[in-house]
Amino acid sequence: GENVEQHPSTLSVQEGDSAVIKCTYSDSASNYFPWYKQELGKGPQLIIDIRSNVGEKKDQRIAVTLNKTAKHFSLHITETQPEDSAVYFCAKRSGNQFYFGTGTSLTVIP
Amino acid sequence: DAGVIQSPRHEVTEMGQEVTLRCKPISGHDYLFWYRQTMMRGLELLIYFNNNVPIDDSGMPEDRFSAKMPNASFSTLKIQPSEPRDSAVYFCASTPGFGEQYFGPGTRLTVT
Repeated sequence: GENVEQHPSTLSVQEGDSAVIKCTYSDSASNYFPWYKQELGKGPQLIIDIRSNVGEKKDQRIAVTLNKTAKHFSLHITETQPEDSAVYFCAKRSGNQFYFGTGTSLTVIP
Repeated sequence: DAGVIQSPRHEVTEMGQEVTLRCKPISGHDYLFWYRQTMMRGLELLIYFNNNVPIDDSGMPEDRFSAKMPNASFSTLKIQPSEPRDSAVYFCASTPGFGEQYFGPGTRLTVT
């Protein structure tokens, strides 16, 4: 189906530690997987994305991995900082539509 | 570019009133999406347009909701009559073809 499962729903880490959020999907047509960060009172902001022909992509402290065979992808944030605290959403594109995970509320404890 | 622009940012209205939400997509983006976000249901796609034409409105909850895109730089989402259960944050997003999707800041709607 079109569901995207996201885990965990909440995550607390100490400043400087790493955070990992995982998402799984079930269809084979999806070929684009973006991640969004949503701060309180704001719209989701695209922070990183990966296409199906790539297994890993990194942008400074943020990385995304994709296992298309197993149909799961993950967001990795290293050296977390308090300003990383937000809700993170994974998504997949199937055709022209985007389907979103249920979100992970990340708290980075100073 | 200023990004996706939405207005108003906040709307408080009484049950039964008509509400109109507005969106200006990023210039050059040919897809426009309307989403609703609530704690219970997360992000729900309501409708999306391609080149100003509605493609899929299966997410529109009921006939009280309608959306239009009269030109490439403007779209409206209308609720008439509004009900308390319509209270949510409504987001507009735009995409250039099969590119990245960018969200507006949202309109927080409260129906009393």
